[in-house]
Amino acid sequence: GQQVMQIPQYQHVQEGEDFTTYCNSSTTLSNIQWYKQRPGGHPVFLIQLVKSGEVKKQKRLTFQFGEAKKNSSLHITATQTTDVGTYFCAGPARDYKLSFGAGTTVTVRA
Amino acid sequence: ETGVTQTPRHLVMGMTNKKSLKCEQHLGHNAMYWYKQSAKKPLELMFVYSLEERVENNSVPSRFSPECPNSSHLFLHLHTLQPEDSALYLCASSFSGDPNYEQYFGPGTRLTVT
Repeated sequence: GQQVMQIPQYQHVQEGEDFTTYCNSSTTLSNIQWYKQRPGGHPVFLIQLVKSGEVKKQKRLTFQFGEAKKNSSLHITATQTTDVGTYFCAGPARDYKLSFGAGTTVTVRA
Repeated sequence: ETGVTQTPRHLVMGMTNKKSLKCEQHLGHNAMYWYKQSAKKPLELMFVYSLEERVENNSVPSRFSPECPNSSHLFLHLHTLQPEDSALYLCASSFSGDPNYEQYFGPGTRLTVT
């Protein structure tokens, strides 16, 4: 079945630096969704990408959907301590099921 | 964020106990979900209800029994659980059961089975 893979699993970042996390699907996706889960919290929807090659920005976060609609990336610039958490990508797997990646857990060194 | 609420937030139960988890959504959504989140594992979909009808049972053991009395409420009845069932149980809702819609999660119930 359709699987969504994320890399890296962990990202340790110096405050102020940039980083990118990647999401890859074994099949073409109709859309990709990104969620953030703060430590001790629950997943919160961030954004959805639908079009091939689409790029969306939320302040310091840039989300991109690949041309083939099988991969996506999240790039964070000038990382802050508020960026700490786990970032999940998710794509439709079949009727009623959203397949979540394992997530990238981000820690920030001040 | 109070769109989706869950009670209790924490639960400790023995293997012979029976307990229930409750979820309520105030978003007017038509689909509700139960997920299990264990340490170092991806989110595992357990059950999906769309318009109060169960449409997905993702090979979940019978010791977990869901109930959806209306589109705003979802329960997960637990009985004779195992220690490996200890996890964060998350409820979510969406506009419909179509996975192209984003999901809104509740704060979760942290379950410990002793």
